[in-house]
Amino acid sequence: DAMVIQNPRYQVTQFGKPVTLSCSQTLNHNVMYWYQQKSSQAPKLLFHYYDKDFNNEADTPDNFQSRRPNTSFCFLDIRSPGLGDAAMYLCATSRVGGTTDTQYFGPGTRLTVL
Amino acid sequence: TQLLEQSPQFLSIQEGENLTVYCNSSSVFSSLQWYRQEPGEGPVLLVTVVTGGEVKKLKRLTFQFGDARKDSSLHITAAQPGDTGLYLCAGEGGGSQGNLIFGKGTKLSVKP
Repeated sequence: DAMVIQNPRYQVTQFGKPVTLSCSQTLNHNVMYWYQQKSSQAPKLLFHYYDKDFNNEADTPDNFQSRRPNTSFCFLDIRSPGLGDAAMYLCATSRVGGTTDTQYFGPGTRLTVL
Repeated sequence: TQLLEQSPQFLSIQEGENLTVYCNSSSVFSSLQWYRQEPGEGPVLLVTVVTGGEVKKLKRLTFQFGDARKDSSLHITAAQPGDTGLYLCAGEGGGSQGNLIFGKGTKLSVKP
């Protein structure tokens, strides 16, 4: 059974049109992460939530926002997508965080910006 | 800024061959993780190495953490087509809790 679920798997949006990506988890983990992975590049952390505490990476553009209304769900909002935002967006969870804690990744949402 | 350099970037081999991929840094890491990512899927954790010099085995995969904890290697014996994928190493990036930084990965293709 899928533990970290991302919807949709593929998202097409237009330049400048806001888009929301969804992640849900059945693991009851405290920490949820959003990563951006561009073609042939490493996943790059955008932000993460420890419970309700939001932690933004210093170089994450303001165009990217996140919401975590409850333990199970986390959303990534891209307010005005640009062509450079086309990428795979990966959601991950971990029980308590920390670098030896296992992160469980969802299958990703591939975003195309036209 | 901590960086993880992976080599080779691409590797194409025949079934049954052995291979080694490397993950190197000038920084010391308290631990390193190896993930495999298949096309269209998220990364899946293979192993975490914590102690300098540590060797861990996962069937035909052997992971080693360097004595100085600045590098790691993954050796695959008798590769199979099912081993095809992107192999990523990751370590703590400092700053916020649970912040992993990833290498760019080694894209492995094993041909039957």
